Amino acid sequence: QLQLQESGPGLVKPSETLSLTCSVSGASVNNNSYYWGWLRQPPGKGLEWIGTIYYTGSTYYNPSLKSRVTISLDTSKNQLSLKLSSVTAADTAVYFCASTNFYYMDVWGKGTAVTVSS
Amino acid sequence: EIVLTQSPGTLSLSPGERATLSCRASQRVIATSLAWYQQKPGQAPRLLIHGASRRATDIPDRISGSGSGTDFTLTISRLEPEDFAVYYCQQYGSSPWTFGQGTKVEIK
Repeated sequence: QLQLQESGPGLVKPSETLSLTCSVSGASVNNNSYYWGWLRQPPGKGLEWIGTIYYTGSTYYNPSLKSRVTISLDTSKNQLSLKLSSVTAADTAVYFCASTNFYYMDVWGKGTAVTVSS
Repeated sequence: EIVLTQSPGTLSLSPGERATLSCRASQRVIATSLAWYQQKPGQAPRLLIHGASRRATDIPDRISGSGSGTDFTLTISRLEPEDFAVYYCQQYGSSPWTFGQGTKVEIK
């Protein structure tokens, strides 16, 4: 059974880099059947797609965040990671990782809350 | 990017009633590339429908999706207690993938 679990600091200072990890169990991130994605949900708001990565390392980012986002895979740990630079209060959100067929998200992690504040 | 507008914002219904949720796109969604998700408080979203009308694994047949082009509908034929939640549509026909702002189905 595929499961995903996000982890990382719950508080990040403005202008710093947000770094999150998603641990995957039940499948290998090296599996060519899956793409892996990151999404976020600001408090009381809807969902926003951040980006997607394939086992080859190919990445696809939302243009609104592309200049600040890096998504990568660590196959030795079976994890994917998210880095978002130069954060502001507008980046405060619950961040989710998910497995995807590239288009829609079929299995989601439970999410991790990140607050940007000094 | 394609903007998805969901209506109504909140739907107040009783168990056993029919729920009809709308998702309207600002441009035509290619190849019925639309998904619906359910989210309960404090939980991750759960995939319900993809391809506008295809139920995901283990989704009961009282939940159905329809539509094409710019107008899509999620219907819950008879609301069960576990159906009271927020529902989001997502288009994946044109990058960036985008979501609607959500419809909350609450107990009347």
